[in-house]
Amino acid sequence: DAGITQSPRHKVTETGTPVTLRCHQTENHRYMYWYRQDPGHGLRLIHYSYGVKDTDKGEVSDGYSVSRSKTEDFLLTLESATSSQTSVYFCAISSGGAEDTQYFGPGTRLTVL
Amino acid sequence: AQSVSQHNHHVILSEAASLELGCNYSYGGTVNLFWYVQYPGQHLQLLLKYFSGDPLVKGIKGFEAEFIKSKFSFNLRKPSVQWSDTAEYFCAVNAPNSGYALNFGKGTSLLVTP
Repeated sequence: DAGITQSPRHKVTETGTPVTLRCHQTENHRYMYWYRQDPGHGLRLIHYSYGVKDTDKGEVSDGYSVSRSKTEDFLLTLESATSSQTSVYFCAISSGGAEDTQYFGPGTRLTVL
Repeated sequence: AQSVSQHNHHVILSEAASLELGCNYSYGGTVNLFWYVQYPGQHLQLLLKYFSGDPLVKGIKGFEAEFIKSKFSFNLRKPSVQWSDTAEYFCAVNAPNSGYALNFGKGTSLLVTP
């Protein structure tokens, strides 16, 4: 398995609180991605990064921000969590390019009450 | 915009039955196609991928998929399923204009009964 860890693995929080999820890789891959997985929707892209300090929005970016200050870390922040952000969040990495495989982390299950 | 459709949302098969999961995509240009599997409680793992060349692609655990360009399809097959194949299966296309992020279908949940 690719060296990807996510923290925390589980979190329960209340509406309106800020939450930060961390993705850490040891593969030195250029690209990192945040997806959310919801029943009936598959996985949807939130944000991605193509290098340190280089990020862009995905399909469902509203309510989320990201930061990447080091190659190995990609942070996802919910500035003010809402119940609609209850989901499982997956980080993925790839070295870049159309033919490269994306490797997924173990996921973070977030519940917003 | 790209989209990926998986026709079967829930499939139940007996062990040793043959499997075919449908996947269609809409995209006019060159596509790179993937099938991922997610076993219960685990992260996604790559089963197989197609970029070019032989349209019949073989992956891990006895899975294969056939790319049919004229039908915009990339169906997943396995001749004989096992109980351990119980999982959710996702078809995906990557998007060059989104850092090659994956555009996923909604998934097919497969239950294999003994």
